[in-house]
Amino acid sequence: IAGITQAPTSQILAAGRRMTLRCTQDMRHNAMYWYRQDLGLGLRLIHYSNTAGTTGKGEVPDGYSVSRANTDDFPLTLASAVPSQTSVYFCATKEGLLNNEQFFGPGTRLTVL
Amino acid sequence: AQKVTQAQTEISVVEKEDVTLDCVYETRDTTYYLFWYKQPPSGELVFLIRRNSFDEQNEISGRYSWNFQKSTSSFNFTITASQVVDSAVYFCALSDDSGGGADGLTFGKGTHLIIQP
Repeated sequence: IAGITQAPTSQILAAGRRMTLRCTQDMRHNAMYWYRQDLGLGLRLIHYSNTAGTTGKGEVPDGYSVSRANTDDFPLTLASAVPSQTSVYFCATKEGLLNNEQFFGPGTRLTVL
Repeated sequence: AQKVTQAQTEISVVEKEDVTLDCVYETRDTTYYLFWYKQPPSGELVFLIRRNSFDEQNEISGRYSWNFQKSTSSFNFTITASQVVDSAVYFCALSDDSGGGADGLTFGKGTHLIIQP
């Protein structure tokens, strides 16, 4: 049982390039989230999805898009990467819509030059 | 709007000392949930505890204990007899009841705890 997998583990990207970070879960959790972690700022929510077919914006959604075609996958796309998007990105899941704990993936370290 | 403040950016103690990590939160909701997560040097985020706003009982789990006080909007975390393996960044987080809690967690900026041998 893998839980939550994220790919790639790390990536160096030229500014202006398009990039999709992948997140896959095998726990069949309804809710999924994308956060970015920056030094001194903690984790900030980018986008979320309550269930397959629905998505919502978090605190810092600009420059990012998501889709939720099925329960297991929640990709995050940077349409045209900028250096300020250099960060560690975490995908998370939560069972149900109650305030249960969130489970986090291992993270993707992205550097935009 | 929700807000979580962890005023201690970094704490360094010697092994076996007790240490308390502070967390102060702001929310307009009467129903909310508080969390602590641990991020060791390896980078993963590990869930430690969840507490809802109607349960003010303190909790103890081994060397870890949590003190929830609604009167001061605080949810502090104490490690007793600290060990080197406790070295990590600790995050306090908040989720309110709007939208069924499906709009994510609001995190504090984290406290980097260093336990020196």
